[in-house]
Amino acid sequence: GENVEQHPSTLSVQEGDSAVIKCTYSDSASNYFPWYKQELGKGPQLIIDIRSNVGEKKDQRIAVTLNKTAKHFSLHITETQPEDSAVYFCAASPMNTGFQKLVFGTGTRLLVSP
Amino acid sequence: EAGVAQSPRYKIIEKRQSVAFWCNPISGHATLYWYQQILGQGPKLLIQFQNNGVVDDSQLPKDRFSAERLKGVDSTLKIQPAKLEDSAVYLCASSNQRLPGQGAGNEQYFGPGTRLTVT
Repeated sequence: GENVEQHPSTLSVQEGDSAVIKCTYSDSASNYFPWYKQELGKGPQLIIDIRSNVGEKKDQRIAVTLNKTAKHFSLHITETQPEDSAVYFCAASPMNTGFQKLVFGTGTRLLVSP
Repeated sequence: EAGVAQSPRYKIIEKRQSVAFWCNPISGHATLYWYQQILGQGPKLLIQFQNNGVVDDSQLPKDRFSAERLKGVDSTLKIQPAKLEDSAVYLCASSNQRLPGQGAGNEQYFGPGTRLTVT
């Protein structure tokens, strides 16, 4: 089955710096790659996603890139702010009997210091 | 629109007791998921429903866990009897996917979760 690895496990940056989180996946049939932000005591919140027919997607300060050949994808956050501090999860979606199923990475704790 | 609702938010039980969690998905969402999130890990899928039918329960410990979605709307996840290693956050999510192979991805929206502590 699908396996998703995520690095780094923790990331500390200064406000205004950029942050990059990287994930690799194993199943070449996976075709959907969302990123979630989870704040303490809350459920994961979808922040951006990318489909396998696209190499890059950007939404304001957040961007995601996908390299299907190498089977890895990355989250880029520019001009980080203290409110970006949270745990970020990547996920990959192999189609499960035709229905989407998410396999999550182990998470990256991002700390943005003022 | 209202998000995914879950209750209770917190539950503390002793091992060998039973517990049930409730989830109400976003209105109109046909697909419902239950995930287990152990501290420090990513969510792990336990069971996936399409309307009131089970699509995937391959990672559900069926000797102690059960789930139902009788009317294709809200859902209940039960653990009986609980073990210490069941301590985790149980997350419910829903999506709008209705047909097999529909689109390359359908956004999943998560509820706040139920934090279970088994002592």
